[in-house]
Amino acid sequence: EAGVAQSPRYKIIEKRQSVAFWCNPISGHATLYWYQQILGQGPKLLIQFQNNGVVDDSQLPKDRFSAERLKGVDSTLKIQPAKLEDSAVYLCASSYHVDPFNEQFFGPGTRLTVL
Amino acid sequence: AQSVTQLGSHVSVSEGALVLLRCNYSSSVPPYLFWYVQYPNQGLQLLLKYTSAATLVKGINGFEAEFKKSETSFHLTKPSAHMSDAAEYFCAVSGSNTGKLIFGQGTTLQVKP
Repeated sequence: EAGVAQSPRYKIIEKRQSVAFWCNPISGHATLYWYQQILGQGPKLLIQFQNNGVVDDSQLPKDRFSAERLKGVDSTLKIQPAKLEDSAVYLCASSYHVDPFNEQFFGPGTRLTVL
Repeated sequence: AQSVTQLGSHVSVSEGALVLLRCNYSSSVPPYLFWYVQYPNQGLQLLLKYTSAATLVKGINGFEAEFKKSETSFHLTKPSAHMSDAAEYFCAVSGSNTGKLIFGQGTTLQVKP
């Protein structure tokens, strides 16, 4: 079974530029999560999708971050414009469905450096 | 509101020694608790999870954790450390119907030969 795929693995941009990350979840997983992991901290949920609908985006900085999950499969997370404090690893995870005890499967992450 | 506190950002043990990584949680509802491991440049991998079926939970790679409600703890242990156990370990709690995970700040485990 293929795991969660993410691209690119690494990205370096200047502040005020825009950037996009892509995630392909495990086949059949209805729930998709985007987490931000700042160096030295645990992951923090940015947004959660159930199929193509948003379940939780309470911690997404909506003035600069956006995400979509068209057709309920792949997802894209965009930052525009980027700030220095956006430097982090962006992790995508998926689970079979929305449930508090379901295991979440994580991709390898995209490491973003904003200069 | 839910939260997780991991005591000790760095733990160092000798190969073959006991591993103990501490996690305390706060939750207003019965919690589901998880331990994840993260190897360098990789995503998180589930080690084990507590879902109220049994207080002592066994996971992969010889790890286990015990849920203690009276102490609001879910510490991770392994009887004998191996060099390959060196990684970052995260404790997480989930209590909402959405499955949202709240992570602790992580503990880096160093294993010395």
